[in-house]
Amino acid sequence: AQSVTQLGSHVSVSEGALVLLRCNYSSSVPPYLFWYVQYPNQGLQLLLKYTSAATLVKGINGFEAEFKKSETSFHLTKPSAHMSDAAEYFCAVSLMDSSYKLIFGSGTRLLVRP
Amino acid sequence: ETGVTQTPRHLVMGMTNKKSLKCEQHLGHNAMYWYKQSAKKPLELMFVYSLEERVENNSVPSRFSPECPNSSHLFLHLHTLQPEDSALYLCASSQDRGYTYEQYFGPGTRLTVT
Repeated sequence: AQSVTQLGSHVSVSEGALVLLRCNYSSSVPPYLFWYVQYPNQGLQLLLKYTSAATLVKGINGFEAEFKKSETSFHLTKPSAHMSDAAEYFCAVSLMDSSYKLIFGSGTRLLVRP
Repeated sequence: ETGVTQTPRHLVMGMTNKKSLKCEQHLGHNAMYWYKQSAKKPLELMFVYSLEERVENNSVPSRFSPECPNSSHLFLHLHTLQPEDSALYLCASSQDRGYTYEQYFGPGTRLTVT
């Protein structure tokens, strides 16, 4: 069965510091992987997606993620955190079957300290 | 209007009430979804519609009744809810069914059952 694990329900960084949000997946076949961001009182917004082309995927707002098959990971990074990055981030894996399911991780709340 | 819209944004209802949540997508998509987001739990997929046909019912109690009259509109009819049904209900759409298509989310309806 496919699943997603996000390590750390809360991550705190200083403004200007590196952001690293971890995501590991479990899948018997090559997955499609997504990162979404949710700002307070809003829905989820797609940051980026991996679709088996380039392993390093660039997204919006300066975020990027690298697909590492050997580590079954898809960690999200940003070189320099801004206060506006404070939000909850969700990693998701797409099932390669006849369903249309996205399996979401439990989310990581990013706190940015001034 | 652009993207995915949801109304109302907030709803408080008693356990004996009947209410409906509305979702509208302005993206020309063919698939629509209802999710439930509760505190400290991963997003739960409730229903999936593709070309106005329900293709997924994720063991949701019958007190939740979806309706998709056309590919742009999705409703969630609520009746005799329980306090544990209080949550953020998110609607999403995607271009088509299939694992390659990212989902676009609305802002959600915050439901409180008293």
